[in-house]
Amino acid sequence: EAQVTQNPRYLITVTGKKLTVTCSQNMNHEYMSWYRQDPGLGLRQIYYSMNVEVTDKGDVPEGYKVSRKEKRNFPLILESPSPNQTSLYFCASSLGITYYNEQFFGPGTRLTVL
Amino acid sequence: SQQGEEDPQALSIQEGENATMNCSYKTSINNLQWYRQNSGRGLVHLILIRSNEREKHSGRLRVTLDTSKKSSSLLITASRAADTASYFCATGGSEKLVFGKGTKLTVNP
Repeated sequence: EAQVTQNPRYLITVTGKKLTVTCSQNMNHEYMSWYRQDPGLGLRQIYYSMNVEVTDKGDVPEGYKVSRKEKRNFPLILESPSPNQTSLYFCASSLGITYYNEQFFGPGTRLTVL
Repeated sequence: SQQGEEDPQALSIQEGENATMNCSYKTSINNLQWYRQNSGRGLVHLILIRSNEREKHSGRLRVTLDTSKKSSSLLITASRAADTASYFCATGGSEKLVFGKGTKLTVNP
């Protein structure tokens, strides 16, 4: 089944404790992206990747890191999480982004930073 | 930067009625997409309309695009309780998709 998977689905952590949220897709998609969703603010893009070893900042990249060493994986790293990073995070992928491509979303990771 | 803005923010209707949501955007686009999100879950792609198209249908969904007014509308006909969800428009440029804040639709049985 074609899908985007994220792990963990739920995470409660404390300020400053490094964490990684994994994202994997099995559709051989070139483009992958991370979003955060907050009440009243909609979805905001954190980072995106057009292909392996190519990543770029989105609208809210501060406090996050990403890497794209393999086509299928695009982990999101929070080196020193803070309470303002408490949010619902989504990973998405698409075949390409230049023209007419729908994005496939993962189920989301609900992160709470105490 | 948020480009698409949905209107209304919330909409409550009875089952069987039609629901119309609007999206306005600011800059030129390659395409405009609509997504649905059930509470707390991942977004699901509904329909994509290209900048050179004016109208598109998919089942009970009808999307229109007016590039001169920089606006789009999503019509759900004969709504069902299962249509209760948030609906987002997303505008596609050359490198990324930019989402609006969404319209929360409630369909009452």
